[in-house]
Amino acid sequence: EVQLVESGGGLVQPGGSLKLSCAASGFTFSGSAIHWVRQASGKGLEWVGQIRSKAKTYATTYPASLKGRFTISRDDSTSTAHLQVNGLKIEDSAIYYCTRLASEEWQKDWYFDLWGRGTLVTVSS
Amino acid sequence: SYELTQTPSVSVSPGQTATITCSGDNLGNRFACWYQQKPGQSPILVIYQDNKRPSGIPERFSGSNSGNTATLTISGTQALDEGDYYCQAWDSSTVVFGGGTRLTV
Repeated sequence: EVQLVESGGGLVQPGGSLKLSCAASGFTFSGSAIHWVRQASGKGLEWVGQIRSKAKTYATTYPASLKGRFTISRDDSTSTAHLQVNGLKIEDSAIYYCTRLASEEWQKDWYFDLWGRGTLVTVSS
Repeated sequence: SYELTQTPSVSVSPGQTATITCSGDNLGNRFACWYQQKPGQSPILVIYQDNKRPSGIPERFSGSNSGNTATLTISGTQALDEGDYYCQAWDSSTVVFGGGTRLTV
């Protein structure tokens, strides 16, 4: 089955760190760009960042608003992507989704065709 | 930074046509796509490349993109179409989502 499964969420104190995982199956993970998107309770989707494939030098991109505390990595040998978040703030509380870009090659294919079910991160003292 | 603006809510009666818009500077020069999200579920892609439907998405979903506005149209709206809809585009190498539109049927 083609799927993405997130894990690693939970309750964390402000200032703490968390490493989320995204396990892929059913497709060629190594050739896919993986993105993270979050959604605070009752709010809209917010892009967190991406990691491209080895062919694209594992390049990472983050929105300016989140640069510095968020780091995306990947391990193609285990078909897993990770999101490391440091210095957690209350406003980082959200469901974190990983999602797959349909194709890296052409901009017309830069849309998300597969989403995980998400993992909930709650930042609270 | 680039922004996409959506009307917060749209309400239609069953069988009517729902029109959801997404505005951004020269959005028509970019590819727009749309995601549907139902309560408690992950988003799913309903329109990509402005007007293409993924496999499994009903024909009543259609899209267009011109000028500053991308439009998602749902013809013959059904109760099961109720949910939140998000437009998305790229600004250089960053992803931008619209704020979302809640469709009530």
